[in-house]
Amino acid sequence: EIVLTQSPGTLSLSPGERATLSCRASQSVSRSYLAWYQQKPGRAPRLLIYAASSRATGIPDRFSGSGSGTDFTLTISRLEPEDFAVYYCQQYGSSLTWTFGQGTKVEVK
Amino acid sequence: EVQLVQSGAEVKKPGESLKISCKGSGYSFATYWIGWVRQVPGKGLEWMGIIYPGDSDTRYSPSFQGQATISADKSISTAYLQWSSLKASDSAMYYCARPNGDSLFHWYFDVWGRGTLVTVSS
Repeated sequence: EIVLTQSPGTLSLSPGERATLSCRASQSVSRSYLAWYQQKPGRAPRLLIYAASSRATGIPDRFSGSGSGTDFTLTISRLEPEDFAVYYCQQYGSSLTWTFGQGTKVEVK
Repeated sequence: EVQLVQSGAEVKKPGESLKISCKGSGYSFATYWIGWVRQVPGKGLEWMGIIYPGDSDTRYSPSFQGQATISADKSISTAYLQWSSLKASDSAMYYCARPNGDSLFHWYFDVWGRGTLVTVSS
């Protein structure tokens, strides 16, 4: 099973700042099959990014994903008030053994 | 609009049985896989398994094999997650979600239900 480790655990930033979230895999994720989700309190996760760098439908372009192999990054170029949430990465490179990271909370500084 | 509507919160005692549901609409339910994801309060996400409603082909995460049973009734566009004997450790939020992707069994989740909170307590 591929273990995903997200860092930092919590990111304290102000609106307008840039957020950089990391997701590191215990082994290479084939074909960069990595997704990112946003989850707000009391809400279901929302897909942001798939295939490491493709934005899902309706996701603003301030969200971008990059990376390959074992190291992936989600960048929020300028934080909007609605972006403060928990973010999870998920690998789906291993057939039917998909795993999620433990999450990074982006909070208001 | 594609939607997954889940059944309401449940409070059960250890040892009781439970079946929660997820009704799909806005798409051809029988021809898309649908999955279940667990989230213990304050914790992360865990994929449990998926089912193809068209023929009830079901695949489980190795971590959840034998823990719960996934089923579906394509005639009413509804998927189910059930337990025969609940434990306190089954207390969690359970989401149904539709997998997507361009390679078989290499999928992310692009549509999510709102979740069903299951509380198991004596």
